[in-house]
Amino acid sequence: DAGITQSPRHKVTETGTPVTLRCHQTENHRYMYWYRQDPGHGLRLIHYSYGVKDTDKGEVSDGYSVSRSKTEDFLLTLESATSSQTSVYFCAISDLRGNQETQYFGPGTRLLVL
Amino acid sequence: AQTVTQSQPEMSVQEAETVTLSCTYDTSESDYYLFWYKQPPSRQMILVIRQEAYKQQNATENRFSVNFQKAAKSFSLKISDSQLGDAAMYFCAYRSALGFWIKAAGNKLTFGGGTRVLVKP
Repeated sequence: DAGITQSPRHKVTETGTPVTLRCHQTENHRYMYWYRQDPGHGLRLIHYSYGVKDTDKGEVSDGYSVSRSKTEDFLLTLESATSSQTSVYFCAISDLRGNQETQYFGPGTRLLVL
Repeated sequence: AQTVTQSQPEMSVQEAETVTLSCTYDTSESDYYLFWYKQPPSRQMILVIRQEAYKQQNATENRFSVNFQKAAKSFSLKISDSQLGDAAMYFCAYRSALGFWIKAAGNKLTFGGGTRVLVKP
């Protein structure tokens, strides 16, 4: 258990509304990631962070922004939600225990944009 | 860019029998990591097994084992003595071994499209 929580777990919102998803970790991991999961695509990286205030874009970053003001929290913001952003969002951390870097995932957030 | 392909959308196995899931990938790198993740109906992504490309020995975790063929860029997962709890989506994933200490750019996981495993009692 990598101590990752996501909030909210489910959200329904309307097109054009801003939405913020939160990822919280309790084990001081440096690297954090946001992925989205859509049918037939597996998981795709949206944004990632390699430290406080250090973030960068992934492969599907359009329409999303992120912030990391504390080690434990990584926020994903949809500035103006669109129906194409209906998806399941997963946060992940990189765990370097035993010098074996592996990504562990949070429970996911289901977002429906109407 | 790396790509990961899982050619089997769905596999069915009888309880207590063995099933093998296929995964192929494309990369020009020589050092990387490969993973299998399980996603049950709860949607939680659970690490099943990992393989370092520089290791020739195939990884094993209890009933789960891999057949890693580096030259063929193949990474199959074998589930032995299948149990009802093994029913899930299984995702193969690739991660470069480059750049970790400089920046996380090389750390992203590239996933295949998944294989659904059905276990028949």
